[in-house]
Amino acid sequence: ETGVTQSPTHLIKTRGQQVTLRCSSQSGHNTVSWYQQALGQGPQFIFQYYREEENGRGNFPPRFSGLQFPNYSSELNVNALELDDSALYLCASSLETTGKASLFGPGTRLTVT
Amino acid sequence: GNSVTQMEGPVTLSEEAFLTINCTYTATGYPSLFWYVQYPGEGLQLLLKATKADDKGSNKGFEATYRKETTSFHLEKGSVQVSDSAVYFCALRENGQNFVFGPGTRLSVLP
Repeated sequence: ETGVTQSPTHLIKTRGQQVTLRCSSQSGHNTVSWYQQALGQGPQFIFQYYREEENGRGNFPPRFSGLQFPNYSSELNVNALELDDSALYLCASSLETTGKASLFGPGTRLTVT
Repeated sequence: GNSVTQMEGPVTLSEEAFLTINCTYTATGYPSLFWYVQYPGEGLQLLLKATKADDKGSNKGFEATYRKETTSFHLEKGSVQVSDSAVYFCALRENGQNFVFGPGTRLSVLP
């Protein structure tokens, strides 16, 4: 397994700015999901992409948006950053037809000041 | 909607003690159940899973049994080690959709 990689590892932004986080999925996986994990809490589902289309969304505002590329890598974009957006952002990839558990990346730690 | 509840932490144990972390869930259908572990500064690692009622997941000495009648998936280990210190998340997933995680339970094992 090549694993799931995310970049950058850490990021510091100012309130009101925009940020893009990147995820490279496990080789052969066609589905990517993004989660937000605030400090001391469990991960919360943001959205999922399957074959470049959004395929489910959690309770997050439209300023959270994403993309999936033909090679199944993905981006998470957050506009108009707020202090509460400070969190660990996790990407998970899977091959939906197999029903196997998703493989999580190490996360990107975003701090908004 | 679906939800997962875990016992409050932190849990502090001495090395070689018995571990139980309780997890109960609410789901509309028949979810798969998971335990993930998160070591300091890292992402989530799958510890074990069970896909149907009465299945037992096991890995690295940890076990959990899918109990449909009590909607539970309690994590157990007979003898914990200092290296087991981490945050443990119970989660469910239905029909290949997104995971729903519990709030996590921090475990500290003292030598």
